[in-house]
Amino acid sequence: AQTVTQSQPEMSVQEAETVTLSCTYDTSESDYYLFWYKQPPSRQMILVIRQEAYKQQNATENRFSVNFQKAAKSFSLKISDSQLGDAAMYFCAYLGNKLVFGAGTILRVKS
Amino acid sequence: DTGVSQNPRHKITKRGQNVTFRCDPISEHNRLYWYRQTLGQGPEFLTYFQNEAQLEKSRLLSDRFSAERPKGSFSTLEIQRTEQGDSAMYLCASSLVASRHEAFFGQGTRLTVV
Repeated sequence: AQTVTQSQPEMSVQEAETVTLSCTYDTSESDYYLFWYKQPPSRQMILVIRQEAYKQQNATENRFSVNFQKAAKSFSLKISDSQLGDAAMYFCAYLGNKLVFGAGTILRVKS
Repeated sequence: DTGVSQNPRHKITKRGQNVTFRCDPISEHNRLYWYRQTLGQGPEFLTYFQNEAQLEKSRLLSDRFSAERPKGSFSTLEIQRTEQGDSAMYLCASSLVASRHEAFFGQGTRLTVV
């Protein structure tokens, strides 16, 4: 079964600084997708960034970028120029035949 | 396109009662997921549908849980003989296979079993 592991229960970052959230996954599939989702307190889950496993180039979306290491089964999220609005729970997710999530990392942004 | 809609938003029920939740996915989305999420935890996979076919159901799910997606449109999740441990947020998500695969989530149904 596919599993997703987020080893950082909580992270803090100073406003305008950079933070990296870690994610590893376990799979025997060769074709899959990876995602980072953001869930603000008491609000809806929204997509931050996606990565296709067959693409070597790391995905970027404005201040958000990933470091995808397929051989190591690692998929970290880097948030640059952190803003107060980035404070949320972040989930790493794997899509093979179904979509599974990690346990999440709480990100706190200090002003 | 109004996004994924879940009803009700909140449900309080007495232990032993049955409850049913509804999810209306984004139109033309052929895949639909149900998850359970407790406070501070990640979404736990329950089941998913491709059109009207239920392709997988979590082995962690007891027989008290059942889901349907008639005609491949909206879906219902029923919990029979609710227990206090069923108290959680139930999330629905939909996606379009063979597209960007991005799953869009509803706002969830919060169940409290008293």
